[in-house]
Amino acid sequence: KNEVEQSPQNLTAQEGEFITINCSYSVGISALHWLQQHPGGGIVSLFMLSSGKKKHGRLIATINIQEKHSSLHITASHPRDSAVYICAVRVGADGLTFGKGTHLIIQP
Amino acid sequence: ETGVTQSPTHLIKTRGQQVTLRCSSQSGHNTVSWYQQALGQGPQFIFQYYREEENGRGNFPPRFSGLQFPNYSSELNVNALELDDSALYLCASRTGTGVGYGYTFGSGTRLTVV
Repeated sequence: KNEVEQSPQNLTAQEGEFITINCSYSVGISALHWLQQHPGGGIVSLFMLSSGKKKHGRLIATINIQEKHSSLHITASHPRDSAVYICAVRVGADGLTFGKGTHLIIQP
Repeated sequence: ETGVTQSPTHLIKTRGQQVTLRCSSQSGHNTVSWYQQALGQGPQFIFQYYREEENGRGNFPPRFSGLQFPNYSSELNVNALELDDSALYLCASRTGTGVGYGYTFGSGTRLTVV
């Protein structure tokens, strides 16, 4: 069974701080996704990674396949970044296995 | 048409009833998967359809079933509803089944079973 663990579960930071959210998984994967979920429930796909690093605006995602670990970084955090960030992995052609999410609050 | 649309957005049903949730995917998205998200938890994979055939299933009983149609829409059916079926149900679609294809998620249907 594939387990996806995220840390921290909850994170409160001040505007402008550098944020790091971690994700570890237990089996080999074909892809890892970072997702953002707002209180209404809608999920936005931020990144899909199978190796290396990706950057989009203030967001950076990295993955280390050997260590089965990925990180999501937010630079110059802003209150509008407040959301639940979810790591999800895909094994072969199956659907996604999700972590429980990291609840991020950025205070002005 | 862009985006993934789910209907209804909210639904209240009584224990023992049956429910059908709908998802309308982007044109060309021939893979759709459904997820159940209980309050405070991450989503759980229910099943996946590719070109109208189920090609993957999570740990959900047979009373959870689905259909996918040629017009890129799909349905999730749940029979004999139980109180624990109360959750947010999400569908996600993409083009193909290969590694390089990202997902587009709908906003979900919040089902309450009373």
